[in-house]
Amino acid sequence: AQKVTQAQTEISVVEKEDVTLDCVYETRDTTYYLFWYKQPPSGELVFLIRRNSFDEQNEISGRYSWNFQKSTSSFNFTITASQVVDSAVYFCALSRDGYNKLIFGAGTRLAVHP
Amino acid sequence: NAGVTQTPKFQVLKTGQSMTLQCAQDMNHEYMSWYRQDPGMGLRLIHYSVGAGITDQGEVPNGYNVSRSTTEDFPLRLLSAAPSQTSVYFCASSSERDSLYEQYFGPGTRLTVT
Repeated sequence: AQKVTQAQTEISVVEKEDVTLDCVYETRDTTYYLFWYKQPPSGELVFLIRRNSFDEQNEISGRYSWNFQKSTSSFNFTITASQVVDSAVYFCALSRDGYNKLIFGAGTRLAVHP
Repeated sequence: NAGVTQTPKFQVLKTGQSMTLQCAQDMNHEYMSWYRQDPGMGLRLIHYSVGAGITDQGEVPNGYNVSRSTTEDFPLRLLSAAPSQTSVYFCASSSERDSLYEQYFGPGTRLTVT
């Protein structure tokens, strides 16, 4: 069975701090896809990244970076120099085919204080 | 493109009532899905479709029906609403042709069953 665990329920930081959101997944598939989504207070879901299981290169996009480690089944997300606008719930998700049937973690609520 | 649209945005039902949540996409995506979001549980897949005329059950299908007569529309029917179905419902669409491999989510429908 597939499962995604986000052990951090809530994180609170002060602006400009770096913060890492943890994601641990379980799957028996050799091919799978991992996602991160952001849900700001307005409620919509914003796609951040999709990574397949064959690509373990770390990804950086501006202040965001992702660390994928198959050896520990983790796909962690780091925000550098956090800002108040980063306050949101962040979801990690897993999919067998990459297009459909996402399995979501419970989410981590990040609060960035000025 | 309007993307993925959902109606209504808010709905209150009494126990035992039935209703249909509407979802439409104008991107010619082959995949469409319904998820529900409950506090502390992330999003869970209710039903999904891989093309017109083809639907299948997700993780939590009981109490819900779907059909997909066209590529654009994927309505979710609540047969006899129960308080346990109080949730936020998201519709999503995606395509293997999309170079970003993104699942596009609608704005959500907040349903309360009293």
